[in-house]
This record gives sequence, structure tokens and C-alpha cells, in this order.
Amino acid sequence: DAGVIQSPRHEVTEMGQEVTLRCKPISGHNSLFWYRQTMMRGLELLIYFNNNVPIDDSGMPEDRFSAKMPNASFSTLKIQPSEPRDSAVYFCASRPGTANTGELFFGEGSRLTVL
Amino acid sequence: GQQVMQIPQYQHVQEGEDFTTYCNSSTTLSNIQWYKQRPGGHPVFLIQLVKSGEVKKQKRLTFQFGEAKKNSSLHITATQTTDVGTYFCADLYSSASKIIFGSGTRLSIRP
Repeated sequence: DAGVIQSPRHEVTEMGQEVTLRCKPISGHNSLFWYRQTMMRGLELLIYFNNNVPIDDSGMPEDRFSAKMPNASFSTLKIQPSEPRDSAVYFCASRPGTANTGELFFGEGSRLTVL
Repeated sequence: GQQVMQIPQYQHVQEGEDFTTYCNSSTTLSNIQWYKQRPGGHPVFLIQLVKSGEVKKQKRLTFQFGEAKKNSSLHITATQTTDVGTYFCADLYSSASKIIFGSGTRLSIRP
């Protein structure tokens, strides 16, 4: 079975450029989470969706970040404009239900470097 | 707000020694999960604890949930080089669907 699929795996861009990260959750999973991981701040929850609806985006750093989930099989995290402090590994994760229980399945992550 | 404290931040042990990491929450938890992340990898689910005072074992790993459901621990007996990685607790709250990760404990092992 295919797991959570993220793209790109690596992205290097210059400050000010737009970055779009993509995620395909496991088929049939109804909850999707975006996390950011850095050495300094650890694993931070940015936003999560239940049944394609954003539930809590309080972790989104600022207006430069936006996330969408147009359908059950696709989500994007966009940063515009990007800044060097956005450099991190961004993980997408999904789980089957919307109740707060059950294993989170993580993708391989997208490593973003903003120069 | 929800806060998850995890200690220690780092642990370096001799192969064969035991290892323990602790997770403490500022509020009562509904459930708690543990994940392992290998260097360069992604977090992988280990276990979920639900009941007050619950103890679960997976081979050399023992997981405990505190009686008040505000703390948890992961203990590894006789560490092996394959145990290297960062161990995270993750707090799940019944009032919301979100999952908050602790700061993690990085385990390194001297062969």
C-alpha cells in the first residue's frame, strides 16, 4: 500500500520566491496534518484538516503561510514570499478517523532551504 | 495552552545500558502516543496509551501512562545500536483533534 506521499523531497529556493509543498494522504484517511521540524523548535503543528475542512490553523506562523485541501486526496502548503527562517523539514501526516485517537502516518518530508 | 515537556533532551549510553525518556503535560490527557524518528527519517508510530496507569510492553520497550494521565515514560532495556534515534511523545486531547508533539529525546549509543 502506498503511504503518505510528499513532493518535492528537497527544495532550494531564494528568499522572496513562492514555495508550494504537496501531500497525498493515504486513501481513505479523513484527517491530514502539516508539521514543521527544525532543530530549535522541534515538531510544530501548523494546521490540520478533518474531512478536507481546516480545523485549527493556529500554528501557522504568519500570513505568508497558507494551506488548502481541495479534495480528500490532495493538500498543499504554500509559503509566499519565502524567507530564510522558513528553512525546515515539512511533514504531512494522515490518519483514518477524525476522532482524536489512532496512529499518525507520516510522509517522508519535504526539506526546504531558503537562501 | 497545551504544553508538552520531554526530558532529557539528549541521552548518550553504552550499548547494553538502559534508557528512559519522560513526558509531562500541563493538563490531563485523553491519550498519549509515542513515536520514533531515525536520523534523516520521519516519525514512526510505536504505541498509544489510553488508560490511567496503563503499562504496555513491546519486546525491550516498556511504556507507562501516569495515574493522573499527566505524564508518561518510555523505557528501553539493554539498548542496541538499532535503537538510535529521537523518541517523541505526542499528546492527544479529547477536546480537540490535534496532536502536539513533545520536544523529543535524542538517543545515541556507543557500540
